[in-house]
Amino acid sequence: QLQLQESGPGLVKPSETLSLTCTVSGGSISSSGYYWGWIRQPPGKGLEWIGNIYYSGSTYFNPSLKSRVTISVDTSKNQFSLKLSSVTAADTAVYYCARLVATIWFVPWGQGILVTVSS
Amino acid sequence: NFMLTQPHSVSESPGKTVSISCTGSSGSIASNYVQWYQQRPGTAPITVIFEDNQRPSGVPDRFSGSVDSSSNSASLTISGLKTEDEADYYCQSYDGSNLWVFGGGTKLTVL
Repeated sequence: QLQLQESGPGLVKPSETLSLTCTVSGGSISSSGYYWGWIRQPPGKGLEWIGNIYYSGSTYFNPSLKSRVTISVDTSKNQFSLKLSSVTAADTAVYYCARLVATIWFVPWGQGILVTVSS
Repeated sequence: NFMLTQPHSVSESPGKTVSISCTGSSGSIASNYVQWYQQRPGTAPITVIFEDNQRPSGVPDRFSGSVDSSSNSASLTISGLKTEDEADYYCQSYDGSNLWVFGGGTKLTVL
């Protein structure tokens, strides 16, 4: 059964770069036809799509975050990563990674990781 | 930009039927598939409907989805409500131009 697990620091200082990794188990990140995505959820608020990556490195980003987001993939480790630069308190959220099926819907999701931006 | 609008909250009694709407801001919501996710407090979302009206294995047939082109909206309907259905529900779609969008979410209270 495919599982995803987010990892990284739970606390980031303002103006610094948030870095998270999603480890995929139970399947290959290089499986043809699947994108891999990042979604976030500020406390008490809704879901916001951040961006997607294909195992070849092709990426798509939310226009509202595009200037600050980098998503990369490491097929040898079966992982993909998120970097969000110049963070502020508004970037405090639970960050989820997920597989994108048929280029349309996200399943399964990781359990999520809370990242707090604070000095 | 393409947006999906949901009611902030809905409530209904156990055993009853409730529908949650998801209205597209532009174009035709029927042009691209709509998904619905259920999120209980402190947990990750799970899919209850994909591709407008398909249920993943393990999701009860009390959950159904539909799309109405005339109102440019999609709906999630839950029949025979149970207290365990109390959760936040999000619609989601792909606009066909490399933009994936979530609705703002609807809090379902079963009282």
